[in-house]
Amino acid sequence: KNEVEQSPQNLTAQEGEFITINCSYSVGISALHWLQQHPGGGIVSLFMLSSGKKKHGRLIATINIQEKHSSLHITASHPRDSAVYICALSYGNKLVFGAGTILRVKS
Amino acid sequence: GAVVSQHPSWVICKSGTSVKIECRSLDFQATTMFWYRQFPKQSLMLMATSNEGSKATYEQGVEKDKFLINHASLTLSTLTVTSAHPEDSSFYICSASSDRGVQPQHFGDGTRLSIL
Repeated sequence: KNEVEQSPQNLTAQEGEFITINCSYSVGISALHWLQQHPGGGIVSLFMLSSGKKKHGRLIATINIQEKHSSLHITASHPRDSAVYICALSYGNKLVFGAGTILRVKS
Repeated sequence: GAVVSQHPSWVICKSGTSVKIECRSLDFQATTMFWYRQFPKQSLMLMATSNEGSKATYEQGVEKDKFLINHASLTLSTLTVTSAHPEDSSFYICSASSDRGVQPQHFGDGTRLSIL
């Protein structure tokens, strides 16, 4: 069993839709990261969470430490949100990455 | 702030040559830098962790003589793929942290390496 599982693997949405990407993990962590990887390969760090909820613009990330679960929400999705979204765990002195969710937002 | 520049972004070279990839932190001191490799449609795989002024720590299965890592200053780390072969073709991406932990990491834009 992988230490971190993301769902769904692929997601296609219409512009304007509310999107949720989930991340479940099985190990104790110091923090959880949500990353965005664009088609060209560059990676942007969206959030680093150790508890509760964070919001930045149309993006919201939540984490439930007891349930070992985090969600990334995108409100009013837009085609420019199309990317791969990756959940990563701070585990020891490393990051452990989920397989990623490929999001495509159609106009 | 927290910008990491990676160069080159794309390189094609002949089998047997060595290729150097640079990772620079432009506006902060990167105590720790990480090198990752990514195969198509797969997630990032950590190759090695380097702390400024000390030898890199390589992950299991990564050949340290094949992938030479140098982190001689607080703003620069280099990855040299020695005697590259077609199987070394991949996307390589670095990240940097301003402390000796992993939080937060700031990523470069990656280098797409193609060995002919």
